[in-house]
Amino acid sequence: QKEVEQNSGPLSVPEGAIASLNCTYSDRGSQSFFWYRQYSGKSPELIMFIYSNGDKEDGRFTAQLNKASQYVSLLIRDSQPSDSATYLCAVAPFSGGYNKLIFGAGTRLAVHP
Amino acid sequence: GAVVSQHPSWVICKSGTSVKIECRSLDFQATTMFWYRQFPKQSLMLMATSNEGSKATYEQGVEKDKFLINHASLTLSTLTVTSAHPEDSSFYICSARDQGDEAFFGQGTRLTVV
Repeated sequence: QKEVEQNSGPLSVPEGAIASLNCTYSDRGSQSFFWYRQYSGKSPELIMFIYSNGDKEDGRFTAQLNKASQYVSLLIRDSQPSDSATYLCAVAPFSGGYNKLIFGAGTRLAVHP
Repeated sequence: GAVVSQHPSWVICKSGTSVKIECRSLDFQATTMFWYRQFPKQSLMLMATSNEGSKATYEQGVEKDKFLINHASLTLSTLTVTSAHPEDSSFYICSARDQGDEAFFGQGTRLTVV
C-alpha cells in the first residue's frame, strides 16, 4: 500500500465549478498535511497546510482533514482555467521543521472554459 | 516566504560524466534539506535527506555512491550525479524547511543524459 494515495485523474471541471481533490494516507500517526500545486515543468508551490481535524479556508481554497478516516481533501471554489495543474498531497509524520514530506502521485486538474 | 535557489535549471551531459546541482537557502538557515527526483507524470520521490555537517540519509533503493550529497554549510547542499546514464535523466528538486513546517522548493533541475 502506498503511503499517500491520490486519484491520478484527470479531473475535468467547467470554469466556475467546485473542484474536489482527495487524498488518503496510511500512517495514522501523521501530523501535518499539505497541498501543493505543480505546473508542468515547474517545482511545487504550497497552497495550504492543515494540522487539525475539520476545515481550513484560504480564499477559494478549503482543506478538509479527517484523521479518523485518514483522509484529507482540497476544494477549489470558482475554478479558473489557471487552476489547471497537478495537485500534490503531502504528509509529514511529525510536526516540526526537519521532517521529510511524503508525496502522493498527484491529481491532474483540468478546468475548461 | 523563504527562498530556495537551485542551479542549474537545466543541464545536458554525456553519458559517463558527472553533474553537480546546487541548492541554496537564500534568506534562512537550513540544517536539513531534501532532494527529490521526479520522472514524467510521476510524483516526487524522496532520494535523501541532507544534514549539515554530517552524512546524508538515503532512502531505500537510492545508491549513495552514485548520488553524492554534500551539505557543507547551513545554506548550501549539493547533489552530484556521478557517472550519469540516460536512465538518470529526470527532474531533480531540492527543498528546505525553516523553523516552521512549510517546505520551500528550489526551481528544479532538468537533467538530460545523452
